[in-house]
Formats: sequence, C-alpha cells, structure tokens
Amino acid sequence: QTVVTQEPSFSVSPGGTVTLTCGLSSGSVSTDYYPSWYHQTPGQAPRTLIYNTDTRSSGVPDRFSGSILGNKAALTITGAQADDESAYYCVLYMGSGMAFGGGTKLTVL
Amino acid sequence: QVQLVQSGAEVKKPGSSVKVSCKASGGTFSSDTISWVRQAPGQGLEWMGRIIPILGMPNYAQKFQGRVTITADKSTSTAYMELSSLRSEDTAVYYCARKLTGDPYWYFDLWGRGTLVTVSS
Repeated sequence: QTVVTQEPSFSVSPGGTVTLTCGLSSGSVSTDYYPSWYHQTPGQAPRTLIYNTDTRSSGVPDRFSGSILGNKAALTITGAQADDESAYYCVLYMGSGMAFGGGTKLTVL
Repeated sequence: QVQLVQSGAEVKKPGSSVKVSCKASGGTFSSDTISWVRQAPGQGLEWMGRIIPILGMPNYAQKFQGRVTITADKSTSTAYMELSSLRSEDTAVYYCARKLTGDPYWYFDLWGRGTLVTVSS
C-alpha cells in the first residue's frame, strides 16, 4: 500500500522561509493527485490552506504557496510568523479515496 | 453559510459500536461528498471513507472495511459514521469534512469541529 510521506518536524526562524514536502513511498506526486494542504493547531479542526497543488483557499495569506518540486508536492511559507507554528498535513486524491500524510510539526523559533 | 455540526462526545465500552452524526446547518449537502477523518490523541489525520448523500454509495479506506458504515439522510442533510467492534485504539476525534460538488478539485473545503469518541472499559 502506497504511503504519503511528510517530514515529521521542521523548524524555521521568524521571518524565514521553509518548504515542507509531500511524497509517495512509491512513485511521484503530480497534479493528478490534486495535492492539498491543511494546518491544524491543537484542539482545533484542520483549516484548508492550499488545494489543487497551488490554489490558496479563501483568506489564506500569500505567504503560503504550493507547488510541485521534483517528485513531491510542496508547501512554502515565506516570512514565517509565530502563528505559523502548527501541524501541516498534505492530502492526495488516490482515486479510490483520499490519503493523508503523517503531518509535519512546524516550529517557529 | 453552511456549517457542519457534529454530535457530542461519546464514551463507549470495548466491543460496542458508536454512531456519529454530521449535519449541514444553513444549507444542504445532498450532492456534495462527505468524508470522515479521525485523529487519535497526539497522532495525525486518517481518512476513513466517504459518501455522496444523493447517491448513497459509500466507499471506505481498506483499513476500516468491514468495521465502518457511512450513511446519509439527504432529507435532513445529515451524514453518519458508525464504527463497530470498538477497541481502545479507536479513541480519537472524528471529523466530517466536505468536498464540494461541482468543484473539479479533490480537497476538503469545510470541516466539522470534531467528535471525541473515548473507548474505555
């Protein structure tokens, strides 16, 4: 069974830029997987950030951008802020259903 | 504006079943796709399955096949997720999430607030 992979953790300095990735244990992520990204703070429901690879959800600041980098989907945060400290999840459309990555815990320090 | 309103927290015994509901408040979702996603304490999100209420045909993640049943009542715009043979590892927050009909892209644009299910003897 193909697994969606994410970095378990990442850290970034305030004002810095970080790129989180979303891959497959077997094969490459392409736009055909409709990669989407969500962030979640403790005790809250996830919030949609990016869909269809690179489209920002309503109200999401342009500091957040999505892309395909090599064989993975990527979420780039520029000008990181303390509020960005959160868990980030990617989701891929697998045809028969949806698959979540394991999530990346982003620390801003 | 549509909200997904979920039922309240549940405490269940091992071996029993739980049924969680998700109602579209302020609108309907009969032609949307409703998924169920769970999150065990301190863990990541996990897709369980989905249904299009107007079609009434669910499909499930392989991991939950045979143990989960997702249904919907389009007359009340309510989706349900029933999980049987509960064990302690099923202790989690269960979310419903919507994929909009007519939107060609597969993603969740709206989430419920979650329902905590605790399995404990």
